[in-house]
Amino acid sequence: KNQVEQSPQSLIILEGKNCTLQCNYTVSPFSNLRWYKQDTGRGPVSLTIMTFSENTKSNGRYTATLDADTKQSSLHITASQLSDSASYICVVSARTGANNLFFGTGTRLTVIP
Amino acid sequence: NAGVTQTPKFQVLKTGQSMTLQCAQDMNHEYMSWYRQDPGMGLRLIHYSVGAGITDQGEVPNGYNVSRSTTEDFPLRLLSAAPSQTSVYFCASSPGTSGANVLTFGAGSRLTVL
Repeated sequence: KNQVEQSPQSLIILEGKNCTLQCNYTVSPFSNLRWYKQDTGRGPVSLTIMTFSENTKSNGRYTATLDADTKQSSLHITASQLSDSASYICVVSARTGANNLFFGTGTRLTVIP
Repeated sequence: NAGVTQTPKFQVLKTGQSMTLQCAQDMNHEYMSWYRQDPGMGLRLIHYSVGAGITDQGEVPNGYNVSRSTTEDFPLRLLSAAPSQTSVYFCASSPGTSGANVLTFGAGSRLTVL
């Protein structure tokens, strides 16, 4: 069964600290993995996409990693800011079918001053 | 470009009432979809469309209808609202169905059914 699991469910960190969010998946055949950021009361916005051959990709203070062998991804946030407070959703795409996206339940990050 | 526009942003219904959530995109995207988001459950696909005149069911289609008469519009109809349909609804679009295409989401519509 195609599934995406994220951990932790929620996280509270101090402003300026780093954090890492985890995503494990069983989606097959794998196409790519995206991390989305969802601010409160808004729709999700794509942060980064990882394909099978990519191990690391950065977008400013956000760095995503992918281990396709163990089917794990992480999103590392460096020097957190208050504006990083949001839910982060891992979405894995399969290579087959039009209904081919599998969503994690998200990690709720709260950055406090 | 406005992107994906959803209306209304908030709606309260009584059990048994019907309504339509509107979704419009101005990016000429072929793929459009509706999701509901409930606490602890993530985004679940209700219905999707790969082009004008083509629609299909997602994971949780019961109680909802859709149509796609134009590329731009993809309304979601609740036929007879039930309290279990209380949720936040998101419309999303992308250029195609390839996983390489990023989804552009609307701002969401919060529906409460009493």
